[in-house]
Amino acid sequence: GESVGLHLPTLSVQEGDNSIINCAYSNSASDYFIWYKQESGKGPQFIIDIRSNMDKRQGQRVTVLLNKTVKHLSLQIAATQPGDSAVYFCAESRGNTPLVFGKGTRLSVIA
Amino acid sequence: KAGVTQTPRYLIKTRGQQVTLSCSPISGHRSVSWYQQTPGQGLQFLFEYFSETQRNKGNFPGRFSGRQFSNSRSEMNVSTLELGDSALYLCASSGKPGSGYEQYFGPGTRLTVT
Repeated sequence: GESVGLHLPTLSVQEGDNSIINCAYSNSASDYFIWYKQESGKGPQFIIDIRSNMDKRQGQRVTVLLNKTVKHLSLQIAATQPGDSAVYFCAESRGNTPLVFGKGTRLSVIA
Repeated sequence: KAGVTQTPRYLIKTRGQQVTLSCSPISGHRSVSWYQQTPGQGLQFLFEYFSETQRNKGNFPGRFSGRQFSNSRSEMNVSTLELGDSALYLCASSGKPGSGYEQYFGPGTRLTVT
């Protein structure tokens, strides 16, 4: 069945390094993807989104890459900072179906 | 612009009771979605409302219900609470219906069922 998942449950990076968080999806019909960041005690915060007609999209210090051939999504965070420590979720949808979220990856930034 | 607000933030209930949670979307947003978040199941979609109409419903039992008012505020109700209903309940609002647009989440209501 369809699913959205993450390859790694935890990721530790040194402050200043770049982080890459990966996500695999199984539904080739998905046409919208979104990344959220959730800090402890807070609701998910929108980071960046991308539609299936794009391969790459950049925001402030973040880049999302979409590889439809292998159904893979990644979030790159440049110059990772302690404030980036959080759980990151990818989510996908197609048409008007509800967002399906992955389980999340916990990013820990080592000072 | 104020964000999505949810009340109450924390709630403790006993099995068998019912609970009502409230969500006020971002001003001007007419779409409200509800999610349940647990450590084991992650974020799961409950339902979506737009202009007082339920547009989508997730795979939850009928004990979970919701509604939306004319001012776009939404409530969800859980009747006959079970221990497994303990979770963080999140509300998200969007300027447009459907899931293909940015959804902005509130801080959630932490429900504990004892």
